[in-house]
Amino acid sequence: DSGVTQTPKHLITATGQRVTLRCSPRSGDLSVYWYQQSLDQGLQFLIQYYNGEERAKGNILERFSAQQFPDLHSELNLSSLELGDSALYFCASSVEGGWTEAFFGQGTRLTVV
Amino acid sequence: DAKTTQPPSMDCAEGRAANLPCNHSTISGNEYVYWYRQIHSQGPQYIIHGLKNNETNEMASLIITEDRKSSTLILPHATLRDTAVYYCIVRVNAGGTSYGKLTFGQGTILTVHP
Repeated sequence: DSGVTQTPKHLITATGQRVTLRCSPRSGDLSVYWYQQSLDQGLQFLIQYYNGEERAKGNILERFSAQQFPDLHSELNLSSLELGDSALYFCASSVEGGWTEAFFGQGTRLTVV
Repeated sequence: DAKTTQPPSMDCAEGRAANLPCNHSTISGNEYVYWYRQIHSQGPQYIIHGLKNNETNEMASLIITEDRKSSTLILPHATLRDTAVYYCIVRVNAGGTSYGKLTFGQGTILTVHP
């Protein structure tokens, strides 16, 4: 158990819908990272937050957004969903902004039908 | 971040040492070598990282060549539970205020067999 909690574990939704994925980082970790893993793309970095502020952006679509709340949990919002958005979505956390021993959650498997 | 090259797959017998190579010939002086692994769609798991000296922890050893152009992750006594995809990643800074992404490549699929 990494200490990073992601909910829900599985999510099935229809095209065009909007969903919210939640991540609770390890206690004391200030940074949260979101990754997408699809069969053909591998692990793709989406976005990073540090202590409530966006710090780095990767290949995140405009239909996707994220935020980190004062209690440091984070949410990834995916809207106007397409079949191609079906993937595993991972959240990771680390104490600071660096990558030393970043810990990943078990992921949310999103299926868009 | 420097590019890394890993063999797509490797096999290892249970109980033997697994030696996973990684080439990073364009590594810069301030870039660290990280290893993560991912067991069957679980979240990636941090294994070890290093700059220039060899490193060892309870999971593995990391051997970095003197010119730092390649490294080897060693699992001293592989078990069936070590079957996973192993990612070698090179990145500037190991901690502190270094922000941003870790770039995962395709990794090496290690299969440990009885």
